[in-house]
Amino acid sequence: GAGVSQSPSNKVTEKGKDVELRCDPISGHTALYWYRQSLGQGLEFLIYFQGNSAPDKSGLPSDRFSAERTGGSVSTLTIQRTQQEDSAVYLCASRQLAGRTGELFFGEGSRLTVL
Amino acid sequence: LAKTTQPISMDSYEGQEVNITCSHNNIATNDYITWYQQFPSQGPRFIIQGYKTKVTNEVASLFIPADRKSSTLSLPRVSLSDTAVYYCLVGDSSASKIIFGSGTRLSIRP
Repeated sequence: GAGVSQSPSNKVTEKGKDVELRCDPISGHTALYWYRQSLGQGLEFLIYFQGNSAPDKSGLPSDRFSAERTGGSVSTLTIQRTQQEDSAVYLCASRQLAGRTGELFFGEGSRLTVL
Repeated sequence: LAKTTQPISMDSYEGQEVNITCSHNNIATNDYITWYQQFPSQGPRFIIQGYKTKVTNEVASLFIPADRKSSTLSLPRVSLSDTAVYYCLVGDSSASKIIFGSGTRLSIRP
């Protein structure tokens, strides 16, 4: 696609519910990242996928968070039993490591509100 | 990955030149310096990248001294639309985990 696509753009859920956030990276980009950004804060690294390698999950804040990437393309971030502190914007980015700059391309984000 | 330090916030006025300095004392030989810009309610976007000396594009200039332990992003003649958070990142272009710091929140006044 033309850019990184994320859905839903907004999600309101009740505490305790599970949510799934989707990221469709730029075609051909082998690296995919998830970040979380709370209001007024910087970007918090969550997880990184590169090709068929095992993902780097070191940023996931708890075992309620998980992510997968199917077929080296679309990725889904799942948050189980959501808590109010999970409310944030979840940003996905992709890049092509073979490129000169290794530039990250971000989606518009999925804003999650847990009531 | 090299840690970076940059001011939390800066204020300036329309038409002024703004310089944001980033310190990265532990930069490695293979590391590049990259700056991103983030507007409210949007994801960050790439502004400029450099390895040494000076790089200029249509948006900004990046000045890197010989020791590469710091870098300065220069925005010429800023406008209100340059109000954003600016992030300085240091790393190899193939680096896996990419960590963003807190960034510099730039506010431009009329």
